[in-house]
Amino acid sequence: AQSVTQLGSHVSVSEGALVLLRCNYSSSVPPYLFWYVQYPNQGLQLLLKYTTGATLVKGINGFEAEFKKSETSFHLTKPSAHMSDAAEYFCAVTANQAGTALIFGKGTTLSVSS
Amino acid sequence: EAQVTQNPRYLITVTGKKLTVTCSQNMNHEYMSWYRQDPGLGLRQIYYSMNVEVTDKGDVPEGYKVSRKEKRNFPLILESPSPNQTSLYFCASSRTGTGGNTIYFGEGSWLTVV
Repeated sequence: AQSVTQLGSHVSVSEGALVLLRCNYSSSVPPYLFWYVQYPNQGLQLLLKYTTGATLVKGINGFEAEFKKSETSFHLTKPSAHMSDAAEYFCAVTANQAGTALIFGKGTTLSVSS
Repeated sequence: EAQVTQNPRYLITVTGKKLTVTCSQNMNHEYMSWYRQDPGLGLRQIYYSMNVEVTDKGDVPEGYKVSRKEKRNFPLILESPSPNQTSLYFCASSRTGTGGNTIYFGEGSWLTVV
């Protein structure tokens, strides 16, 4: 069985500050990991994903995440927050390429203040 | 343009009145799935389909039906909607499963059952 825990349902940062959104997973098999963003009244957009290989994954809009197997973590970071980053962020895990479901965390709402 | 199209986008209905939310993808994907999103719970899978005429339950299938008669379409059917099915629904598709391939999400369907 797989599960995802996102630490902190709300994170607030100032514009220009570091963004750190935490995600820990549980998986009995090597995981594939994802971060999605949802802007208000919109669908889900893939930010980045980890499948195999390099553990530091770069995504769109300046975001990156590092897969740390020993810590079962896949935290999302961005060096400098923009107002446009305000959205809800979801971490998700699946078992493998032929997986049947994405298991999502409960989401973290990011607020950015000027 | 690669798309997952859901209809309707917004619907208010009454308890017990059957409704269907349609989902269509133009990418010849084998895998399709339905999720519901609720505040504080993230996204949870309702049903999925690995190919035509192959469907299976996700985590929260009660009160829903699906069918996959054609590769491009995967309608979600609420035979007798109840207020606890008020939610935001997403359809998703990918070439094969949820792992290495890009998963495309529709824009969501807001459903209110009164």
